[in-house]
Amino acid sequence: GEDVEQSLFLSVREGDSSVINCTYTDSSSTYLYWYKQEPGAGLQLLTYIFSNMDMKQDQRLTVLLNKKDKHLSLRIADTQTGDSAIYFCAENGSYKLIFGSGTRLLVRP
Amino acid sequence: KAGVTQTPRYLIKTRGQQVTLSCSPISGHRSVSWYQQTPGQGLQFLFEYFSETQRNKGNFPGRFSGRQFSNSRSEMNVSTLELGDSALYLCASRTAGDTDTQYFGPGTRLTVL
Repeated sequence: GEDVEQSLFLSVREGDSSVINCTYTDSSSTYLYWYKQEPGAGLQLLTYIFSNMDMKQDQRLTVLLNKKDKHLSLRIADTQTGDSAIYFCAENGSYKLIFGSGTRLLVRP
Repeated sequence: KAGVTQTPRYLIKTRGQQVTLSCSPISGHRSVSWYQQTPGQGLQFLFEYFSETQRNKGNFPGRFSGRQFSNSRSEMNVSTLELGDSALYLCASRTAGDTDTQYFGPGTRLTVL
């Protein structure tokens, strides 16, 4: 079935690294995505990874993909207060995205 | 390039009414998808349109419908509103392909009283 899982909450200190984890179910997913949602806003695409890659780095963001375990993670280096938001991982299905429940990241000064 | 725009941004309706939400995709994007976001159910896929044809539909009752126009703009309609339809409705657009990246609009916040 379709079920993307994420932990609900993560709290880190400003300047530390944040790691948000996600497990997905469909091994045929071609792309996996990370979106960010700030209060009252829509979803902002942060980054994505093609399923034949193990890692992708984009400035402060690092995505790791373990296809065997169907595990995806997003690492944010030097986390800032502006990074406080909800982070969603998503896998592509048939003309749709299947989202996890979102991880609320709180960055403490 | 302008992003995805959605109108209206906020809407208050009463039970039994109907509502129409509008979405204008990024210029050049021909696919539009709709999602419903609620605290209880999270983000759920409603439907996807490409070249005025619905390519996929989520598990929602028939009260939820949509359409796409020749200029790729899309509307979704909810008839006989229920309290549980209160949600943030998000529209996303992409160029065309199933694996093309989707870009989201700011959403329409619907409150049903």
